[in-house]
Amino acid sequence: EIVLTQSPGTLSLSPGERATLSCRASQSVSSSYLAWYQQKPGQAPRLLIYGASSRATGIPDRFSGSGSGTDFTLTISRLEPEDFAVYYCQQYGSSPKWTFGQGTKVEIK
Amino acid sequence: QVQLVESGGGVVQPGGSLRLSCAASGFTFSSYGMHWVRQAPGKGLEWVAFIRYDGSNKYYADSVKGRFTISRDNSKNTLYLQMNSLRAEDTAVYYCVTDTAIYWGQGTLVTVSS
Repeated sequence: EIVLTQSPGTLSLSPGERATLSCRASQSVSSSYLAWYQQKPGQAPRLLIYGASSRATGIPDRFSGSGSGTDFTLTISRLEPEDFAVYYCQQYGSSPKWTFGQGTKVEIK
Repeated sequence: QVQLVESGGGVVQPGGSLRLSCAASGFTFSSYGMHWVRQAPGKGLEWVAFIRYDGSNKYYADSVKGRFTISRDNSKNTLYLQMNSLRAEDTAVYYCVTDTAIYWGQGTLVTVSS
């Protein structure tokens, strides 16, 4: 079973700053089946990025994903007030068994 | 538009049972595999179970295997999760999710407590 480890646990930034979130897998994630989600309090997660770097429909271009193998990154180029939330990475590989990272909280500094 | 509406959550005693439903609309339900994902209060996301579009294959997290059963009725556009032998650690919001991960329901809260 692939284990995903996200860092940092909490990121304290100001609006307009750049956010860089990391997700490391315990073994290689096949075919970059790596996704990122955003979750706000009381809401269901929202898919941001799939295939490591493809933005889901309607996701602003300030969100970008990169990486391959075991190291992946979600970058938010300029934080907007609505971007302060918890972010999860997820691997979905060739098995229908999903695995999630523990989450990174992006909070207002 | 696409809608996934979960129901059936509530408070149940340890050892009890509950059946969750997820009513789908706005897309061809019978063409999509479906997942259940849960989130304990203040915690992260945990995948629970998956069923293929036609119900031919089912997969479970080790934490629920043998206690939970995922099923679907494509004629009713509905996904189910039968939960037996419930434990305190099963307390969570349960979401149904399409296999594309694009569409999530709003979640239903299950509380296991005496």
